[in-house]
This record gives sequence, C-alpha cells and structure tokens, in this order.
Amino acid sequence: NAGVTQTPKFQVLKTGQSMTLQCAQDMNHNSMYWYRQDPGMGLRLIYYSASEGTTDKGEVPNGYNVSRLNKREFSLRLESAAPSQTSVYFCASSEGSRPGLILFFGSGTQLSVL
Amino acid sequence: SQQGEEDPQALSIQEGENATMNCSYKTSINNLQWYRQNSGRGLVHLILIRSNEREKHSGRLRVTLDTSKKSSSLLITASRAADTASYFCATGFDSSYKLIFGSGTRLLVRP
Repeated sequence: NAGVTQTPKFQVLKTGQSMTLQCAQDMNHNSMYWYRQDPGMGLRLIYYSASEGTTDKGEVPNGYNVSRLNKREFSLRLESAAPSQTSVYFCASSEGSRPGLILFFGSGTQLSVL
Repeated sequence: SQQGEEDPQALSIQEGENATMNCSYKTSINNLQWYRQNSGRGLVHLILIRSNEREKHSGRLRVTLDTSKKSSSLLITASRAADTASYFCATGFDSSYKLIFGSGTRLLVRP
C-alpha cells in the first residue's frame, strides 16, 4: 500500500510558468485535500474535495485551480506561478466520515518559484 | 488567521524528560487532533479527542482538552530522541470536511 503519492517531489519554476502537482491515493478515500506549508505558518488549506465530483475553496485558494479527476486522483494547478507560491505542498486524503475525519498525508512537493 | 496556535514554538529537552505542548483555538470545535511531522516528511496522525472528552491516552501520549478555555495540551512522557519532530494541533468542525492546523511546536529531544 503506497497510501498518498505526490509527484513531483521537487520543482523549480520561473515566474509566470504553469505546472500541475499530481496526487493519488490508493485507500479508497472519499475526501482529498491540498495544503501548503510555509515557515512559521503551519499548514493552510488551499482546496479540498469532499467527494468525487466536488471541489471547494479553503483558506488560500487564490492563484490555484484543482481537478478531482476520479476518486483516486486530485491535482493542483498553478496557472501563472508567482514567488509567493514558493512553498511545500501537501496532498492528503480521508475516508470523509465527518465529523472526526483523520487525514493521511503524502510526503510533499517542494516548489520554488524564481 | 490561524485557528490553532501552539505554544511553545520550540522546545528542547533531555531524553527521558516529559514534553508538554499547548494549543489554543478560537471557535467552537467538534474535535481536536494532534499530528507529528518528521523533517522533510508529511504529517502523521497521532491522536483525536472529541469535544465531549476531557482526556485521552495513547501509549506515551496524553492529550487533554478544555473547551471552556479553548485549549488542549499534548504530553509526551519519557521522551526519546526519535520523538524529535514538529507537532501540530488541528481542529475539526461539525458539518465540515475541513481541518484547520496550527503553526506547530518544534521538539528537539537531546540524547
């Protein structure tokens, strides 16, 4: 069981470039999430998908788009990268049985925007 | 602004000592969770305490929750060097799929 798999692990972009971060889970979870982690800021929720076919904004959605491709996959797209988007990005999933959902995290993508 | 704030931001102790971390939050919650993050890795769930519970134990971990003060504490007893990590509290809410994380406490356990 791989759990939550994120690709790539590292990425360097120039300002204005676009890219898609991929995330897949093999636990048959209903809910999936994208967080970003910045020093001293903890984790902030970008977008989440409570179930296949639905997506909702989190705390910091500006500059990002998401796609819940199917139950397994949830991608995060930066259309025009900015230096402020330099961060570590984490994908997570949950069975989705609210309340009391528990998140399982991937190992992260370290993104630098120059 | 962050829902949860951990205190202290950093903690350094000797192996064998106990480590206590605190978390304060702002709004009513359904549950509070603690996660651990080793350097360069994703977060791992440690323990969940519901709003109608006051204390919970899991191995060397003890979590308390005081909803009147909107605060929680995580106690790690008899710490080990392998406990060196960052610890985050996260709050969950009724009718919501979101978990809101605090800024974390960095724990260093010296051998």
